[in-house]
Amino acid sequence: GENVEQHPSTLSVQEGDSAVIKCTYSDSASNYFPWYKQELGKRPQLIIDIRSNVGEKKDQRIAVTLNKTAKHFSLHITETQPEDSAVYFCAARYSGGGADGLTFGKGTHLIIQP
Amino acid sequence: DGGITQSPKYLFRKEGQNVTLSCEQNLNHDAMYWYRQDPGQGLRLIYYSQIVNDFQKGDIAEGYSVSREKKESFPLTVTSAQKNPTAFYLCASSMGTLNQPQHFGDGTRLSIL
Repeated sequence: GENVEQHPSTLSVQEGDSAVIKCTYSDSASNYFPWYKQELGKRPQLIIDIRSNVGEKKDQRIAVTLNKTAKHFSLHITETQPEDSAVYFCAARYSGGGADGLTFGKGTHLIIQP
Repeated sequence: DGGITQSPKYLFRKEGQNVTLSCEQNLNHDAMYWYRQDPGQGLRLIYYSQIVNDFQKGDIAEGYSVSREKKESFPLTVTSAQKNPTAFYLCASSMGTLNQPQHFGDGTRLSIL
């Protein structure tokens, strides 16, 4: 099955600076990579996703890059704000049975320092 | 997402008891999923269903059962065979075609009495 590794587990940045979270995956057949933001006790919310036919996608302050050859993808947040503080999860599409089950990384706790 | 409703929000289970978690969606999504989240961990797939009357095991299906009798509903039963059921359970749905985004409900927190 798929295995997703996510780093770092905790990331502390000054407000206004950029944050980068990195993930690697093992299954070369994986072709869909979403990122979720989860606040304490709340549901994960999809913030951006990328499919394997593109290398980069942007949405305002958020961008995701994908390197299929190296099997890694990254989340970039620019001009960080206090409301960006949360746990961020990367995921890769589960290729074990034809459906869209996702394999998640263990999460990155992003802390925005004022 | 307002279209996915999980209930109850909190649930307590006694030893040897089966409990059922509810998940309903009004998004007309074909596919539905159950994930388990332990503290400080990512989500792990329990079961998924692409269509009514069909479902597949995920990575950690042992001790759980599901049914999909209606498109809108995908209940999860945590059986007494699941020896460590304390976790946050999240239901999700998607349009069902490959690589469509999954959207989550608010979750059910299950604890052992």
